[in-house]
Amino acid sequence: DTAVSQTPKYLVTQMGNDKSIKCEQNLGHDTMYWYKQDSKKFLKIMFSYNNKELIINETVPNRFSPKSPDKAHLNLHINSLELGDSAVYFCASSQEVPFRDSETQYFGPGTRLLVL
Amino acid sequence: AQKITQTQPGMFVQEKEAVTLDCTYDTSDPSYGLFWYKQPSSGEMIFLIYQGSYDQQNATEGRYSLNFQKARKSANLVISASQLGDSAMYFCAMREGPGGSYIPTFGRGTSLIVHP
Repeated sequence: DTAVSQTPKYLVTQMGNDKSIKCEQNLGHDTMYWYKQDSKKFLKIMFSYNNKELIINETVPNRFSPKSPDKAHLNLHINSLELGDSAVYFCASSQEVPFRDSETQYFGPGTRLLVL
Repeated sequence: AQKITQTQPGMFVQEKEAVTLDCTYDTSDPSYGLFWYKQPSSGEMIFLIYQGSYDQQNATEGRYSLNFQKARKSANLVISASQLGDSAMYFCAMREGPGGSYIPTFGRGTSLIVHP
């Protein structure tokens, strides 16, 4: 059984389009994340939701909007796609407890986005 | 300022030998967690090992061990008896606790190649 799943795995689209990436976790975790990995493999957090509530919102253009319909799902919608949005986007989840520094994140397989 | 530094962009090791991947970190929070992840060429992020700042002993998970030197702020990953399947990118990550930001930060990664 896949713990953290993302769809689609590959996404090729034109500049200016709007697209969504879906993420689901079946681990019963309370917290989900979106990361962007650039062409140099640098991994940077974008957003984090805890029980459907936004708790981390890094400096991300407002063309990116996360949506969490329930704690098992965190979708990422991107408006007006730009060339620089081409990257691999990873969803992750963790079970938050009071000592949050110890929480291991489990990653989805990634979505490879290419903007032409 | 970079919180996680991985100074080795690439490492080579012969099969069956041990290899150490370096990681230094920067935080003033007394409570934090350190993580290592593996990213093979297939792209997924695989959790390997965790070390808490208050843990007295170095973490071990099978062939992986973490050489934690708190005073030097280093958390090097040691892979014993390297296998061809260990060839991958390896990322060190940190998460601060209540005195910090809770935002997970990743190093830029080390590419490990295991040759026969």
